[in-house]
Amino acid sequence: QKEVEQNSGPLSVPEGAIASLNCTYSDRGSQSFFWYRQYSGKSPELIMFIYSNGDKEDGRFTAQLNKASQYVSLLIRDSQPSDSATYLCAVDDNDMRFGAGTRLTVKP
Amino acid sequence: KAGVTQTPRYLIKTRGQQVTLSCSPISGHRSVSWYQQTPGQGLQFLFEYFSETQRNKGNFPGRFSGRQFSNSRSEMNVSTLELGDSALYLCASRSLAGEQFFGPGTRLTVL
Repeated sequence: QKEVEQNSGPLSVPEGAIASLNCTYSDRGSQSFFWYRQYSGKSPELIMFIYSNGDKEDGRFTAQLNKASQYVSLLIRDSQPSDSATYLCAVDDNDMRFGAGTRLTVKP
Repeated sequence: KAGVTQTPRYLIKTRGQQVTLSCSPISGHRSVSWYQQTPGQGLQFLFEYFSETQRNKGNFPGRFSGRQFSNSRSEMNVSTLELGDSALYLCASRSLAGEQFFGPGTRLTVL
């Protein structure tokens, strides 16, 4: 059974801090990795897509992939209250598998 | 560029009925995937279509089926509805680069 694991949280950080979200996956052959943000009552919104080892930065967001450790993370710098949402990690193994999500709260 | 659209947005059905959901992908995207999201099971993959062919299928019973048309629009059908089928059904389209974007979803309630 291929698994994608995330800490369910809730993760609470103060405004302006760095939020660190983690995800591990079980299938060593996985190639593509996604981070989505989902606000309550809304559909998931793509934040980052990464497939190479190392870091990928987009604005305040940085995705980090370590295939040897089967680990992918998302860093949110200068966290804002509007970043409060559930963050979903997804791994593409021909069928896309999602973690349960980490609920992030950014306190003003 | 318009995003992924899904119709209807909300649907109420009774047990035993069947339902058809529709999805129009982002223009130029040929891959369409369907997902079911429930509070208990999270986001689960149903199936993926590419150029009118089912490319991958998740672990759902045969009551769940889909198809894709030549214009890349896709439909999903659920027959003999059960209470447990109440969920948010999400469609996503995928670019050739691999990025996947979700539509707003169809909220299905089975009574």
